[in-house]
Amino acid sequence: DTGVSQDPRHKITKRGQNVTFRCDPISEHNRLYWYRQTLGQGPEFLTYFQNEAQLEKSRLLSDRFSAERPKGSFSTLEIQRTEQGDSAMYLCASSWRTSSAYEQYFGPGTRLTVT
Amino acid sequence: DQQVKQNSPSLSVQEGRISILNCDYTNSMFDYFLWYKKYPAEGPTFLISISSIKDKNEDGRFTVFLNKSAKHLSLHIVPSQPGDSAVYFCAASRSNYKLTFGKGTLLTVNP
Repeated sequence: DTGVSQDPRHKITKRGQNVTFRCDPISEHNRLYWYRQTLGQGPEFLTYFQNEAQLEKSRLLSDRFSAERPKGSFSTLEIQRTEQGDSAMYLCASSWRTSSAYEQYFGPGTRLTVT
Repeated sequence: DQQVKQNSPSLSVQEGRISILNCDYTNSMFDYFLWYKKYPAEGPTFLISISSIKDKNEDGRFTVFLNKSAKHLSLHIVPSQPGDSAVYFCAASRSNYKLTFGKGTLLTVNP
């Protein structure tokens, strides 16, 4: 399977704990995106990388959130001091930077529940 | 502000008939539009896309129409099948980076 993979698929944590999620993009894709989806909403953009450079961060990404993509391969999203409002599906997507195709391919997501 | 709007939360159609899902956008800088399909507990799956320089794109049973003057696009599924039952998201992009999504429309295809 050469699709986008995410780990873990589900995470339950207590308020105040730190969590880290991992995303492995499609191997030939050089762009990687993180989105968050809450109930009844579409996915909302959080941040994106081109190779190892983080090029944009949404205002949704508070100081408690940090994302990395060392060596331009897999990426991690860390949430420190989790709050109940952080409960959501965290989606990773990847794409190839071309001028003609903007399609992004999504992983299965990590469902975070903060109790 | 919601830049991409899907005003119908749900749609129910009979198997074999046409499904039409609608999407409106407000940002005239969007230059690429995509439709995704999502099953529960899975990530969105890319279906079909269209560049702003076109007004129609077809892929098998799926056709997307774009009306730039009205800032409106629609996804037609013909014929509809029970396996098409899912949430459909409209998304838009400007200059090939982040996607802005609508809230989705739940399509139910009845046998």
